Amino acid sequence: QVYLVESGGGVVQPGGSLRLSCAASGFIFGNHGMEWVRQAPGKGLEWLALIWSDGSNSLYAESVKGQFTISRDNSKNTLFLQMNSLRAEDTAVYYCARHLWRDGCNSITCSLMDVWGQGTTVTVSS
Amino acid sequence: SYELAQPPSVSVSPGQTASITCSGDKLGDKFVSWYQQRPGQSPVVVIYQNNKRPSGIPERFSGSTSGNTATLTISGTQTMDEADYYCQAWDSSTAVFGGGTKLTVL
Repeated sequence: QVYLVESGGGVVQPGGSLRLSCAASGFIFGNHGMEWVRQAPGKGLEWLALIWSDGSNSLYAESVKGQFTISRDNSKNTLFLQMNSLRAEDTAVYYCARHLWRDGCNSITCSLMDVWGQGTTVTVSS
Repeated sequence: SYELAQPPSVSVSPGQTASITCSGDKLGDKFVSWYQQRPGQSPVVVIYQNNKRPSGIPERFSGSTSGNTATLTISGTQTMDEADYYCQAWDSSTAVFGGGTKLTVL
């Protein structure tokens, strides 16, 4: 079975930092790109970042560029999201998801997020 | 920035067909995925590459695109299909989600 388990969420003061982790199991982690998506309370899904399978490249939403950093450790089957200068509007459930190319797809434009974790909650509050 | 527009809510009677639309500039030139999120749960992909269904997703889920609009159709809607549905596409190296549609089955 393929699993993604996020951790590292919690309550942090405005301006603080937090590092989220996503532990993967049940598949060859180093063969897949990985993504982070968040969902503010009562709101919709917001894509945050994508990292290539080998960590050689990453993409970010404009809203978090320069504030969040996605990274991975393929030797430990773990994805990370370093979040700095946190603001109240960063309060959300943070999901990691597996990025998948299939059925002749060979670019991000035809990819899908086929496995999602259960999410970890980040609350930015004083 | 690129935007995908979805109706906030759609209602359908059990056994009937539900259609959820997603509109965006030149969306017909892009690949669209659809994600289902039941209350309190993580999203699940139900359609990818406009009209493909992952294994384990019931045949009553289908997707199509025409012009600037993508449509998720649920035939013979069941009460278990009550959820939020999000369309998603890529534009300029950014993944974009629609605002979501709450499907009510009553």
